[in-house]
Amino acid sequence: GAVVSQHPSWVICKSGTSVKIECRSLDFQATTMFWYRQFPKQSLMLMATSNEGSKATYEQGVEKDKFLINHASLTLSTLTVTSAHPEDSSFYICSARATGGRMNTEAFFGQGTRLTVV
Amino acid sequence: QQQVKQSPQSLIVQKGGISIINCAYENTAFDYFPWYQQFPGKGPALLIAIRPDVSEKKEGRFTISFNKSAKQFSLHIMDSQPGDSATYFCAARPKHSGNTPLVFGKGTRLSVIA
Repeated sequence: GAVVSQHPSWVICKSGTSVKIECRSLDFQATTMFWYRQFPKQSLMLMATSNEGSKATYEQGVEKDKFLINHASLTLSTLTVTSAHPEDSSFYICSARATGGRMNTEAFFGQGTRLTVV
Repeated sequence: QQQVKQSPQSLIVQKGGISIINCAYENTAFDYFPWYQQFPGKGPALLIAIRPDVSEKKEGRFTISFNKSAKQFSLHIMDSQPGDSATYFCAARPKHSGNTPLVFGKGTRLSVIA
């Protein structure tokens, strides 16, 4: 299957600082990438849908000024948590959907980023 | 709102037994049904998937059964092993989805005990 690389795997930051998480599709082009947040023992909560070259579409209740998403190329999307606070501590996961062919139905996930804000 | 309902929330199975996880969807606007396996601290990994024109799909010890008329689908894990202990998510993809995300169930925590 296709590979989605997410970096970093974990990060600890001080309250008030910003953290950038990268999501890369390594062997396919992804027109669309999705960002999720997952709380312990819960399902994935969609935060936003990111399309290459355009503004992200945020889900209701997600602050777009706090969670900045950039999808500058077909293989890279970034999520920046700005002015992070302890309540932003969570597991963040990206997903990429391949464009065209048989693969365009499947969504491939990164390994996730554990963010801890202290 | 499109929903996928998953049950049970948690499941304990003896090693060698069959694990069964069920999902149901509420409308017919889905055309692809994947199952994901997630280990603690990792992202979900695609396990097996089915389209609604097929009633069953088998890959090794994993089988999806699909009942289109009942709008239900289930994952069967045969000869369950301790290494299968993980959280399993069913999902559904809306038709003509373009950039529409998958709809996920709430997950099932499977524990396979020796």
